[in-house]
Amino acid sequence: LAKTTQPISMDSYEGQEVNITCSHNNIATNDYITWYQQFPSQGPRFIIQGYKTKVTNEVASLFIPADRKSSTLSLPRVSLSDTAVYYCLVGQGGDYKLSFGAGTTVTVRA
Amino acid sequence: GAGVSQSPSNKVTEKGKDVELRCDPISGHTALYWYRQRLGQGLEFLIYFQGNSAPDKSGLPSDRFSAERTGESVSTLTIQRTQQEDSAVYLCASSSYLRSYEQYFGPGTRLTVT
Repeated sequence: LAKTTQPISMDSYEGQEVNITCSHNNIATNDYITWYQQFPSQGPRFIIQGYKTKVTNEVASLFIPADRKSSTLSLPRVSLSDTAVYYCLVGQGGDYKLSFGAGTTVTVRA
Repeated sequence: GAGVSQSPSNKVTEKGKDVELRCDPISGHTALYWYRQRLGQGLEFLIYFQGNSAPDKSGLPSDRFSAERTGESVSTLTIQRTQQEDSAVYLCASSSYLRSYEQYFGPGTRLTVT
């Protein structure tokens, strides 16, 4: 599994857009990029997955440049309830042994 | 059920005792996973089930840890002769076979060994 690097923490305010960038310089051709969200005292929750360009769903957008060596998770207009740890994972579709690092702790303030 | 459930939600046990943790996956999910999360840390993979077989037990920390699964249903993780370093949140997840990257997690069992 490709190694990922993401900021340890980020602070934001309600209503702002939060962008979390993850570096994955050794991403392989068959690798996908997946993001999970974990609230305190809960298990992680799948947010979004992408391979290239842009993916958007009801929760977030994922931007992946052409070289795929990084990706950016964008959370539009965050609220206090978006305070959580966000994990970036890189792996192939058949990978089941998800490798969660320390993630990025996003704190949203009023 | 609508999601993955785990029981108990909290377990306090004395060092040296055995504990059993239970996981009920989402109906229809053939794949089931156990992870461990220590306070403030990421998840540590323990074991993977496909159906009732466990092709990958590589993450089990020692022979005190074992797990089994009945068909494509309930799984139990057993820790024998618990040690204080076993204190952690134990998370179970399930997924469909073809979408193993999209795992659905339960709320976890917080184990405290005193």
